[in-house]
Amino acid sequence: GAGVSQSPSNKVTEKGKDVELRCDPISGHTALYWYRQRLGQGLEFLIYFQGNSAPDKSGLPSDRFSAERTGGSVSTLTIQRTQQEDSAVYLCASSLRQGQNEQFFGPGTRLTVL
Amino acid sequence: GENVEQHPSTLSVQEGDSAVIKCTYSDSASNYFPWYKQELGKGPQLIIDIRSNVGEKKDQRIAVTLNKTAKHFSLHITETQPEDSAVYFCAASPGTYKYIFGTGTRLKVLA
Repeated sequence: GAGVSQSPSNKVTEKGKDVELRCDPISGHTALYWYRQRLGQGLEFLIYFQGNSAPDKSGLPSDRFSAERTGGSVSTLTIQRTQQEDSAVYLCASSLRQGQNEQFFGPGTRLTVL
Repeated sequence: GENVEQHPSTLSVQEGDSAVIKCTYSDSASNYFPWYKQELGKGPQLIIDIRSNVGEKKDQRIAVTLNKTAKHFSLHITETQPEDSAVYFCAASPGTYKYIFGTGTRLKVLA
């Protein structure tokens, strides 16, 4: 079946602009994660959605970052007034349910802020 | 806060040799330890995992060992092949949905 998809695959933007990154999780997966992966670094947790529960936003690095998940499916990560330090690969993952279950990752969106 | 250290950051081995990657975690509540493989241009993919009630787990050429007392866990790949070349990430989870990832090991298998 279809895996997690993300769009765009690459995004180049100018400092100060807003960007929106999209994630389509695997159908039926109730849990959805966003991570940031800086060059040569590990995966940094950003935000977690589980069903209709309030999301865990504890990993968002600043109030310029926000995310929403509409209808329990598609999610968008928005970065306002982008800075050069926002340049990274943004990965989305989904899992079947809450808890310690396999996370299925999308291919990521590579964001470059000039 | 919770932390996972991973070593080495890069590892080169000859095809057919073994590769070992080690991780150390700080949160003693961690009880689930997955390993992910990330190939170039792709997202990470789960290759093996271990829970804290088990000391070792094997799946063909890969194995993971866990020492809860020392808070260490390791990935062992035997008879390495060129297609094993990738970045490997360890992670630790304290019984919730949150995973703390290591910084990754770039493995190169030389033909």
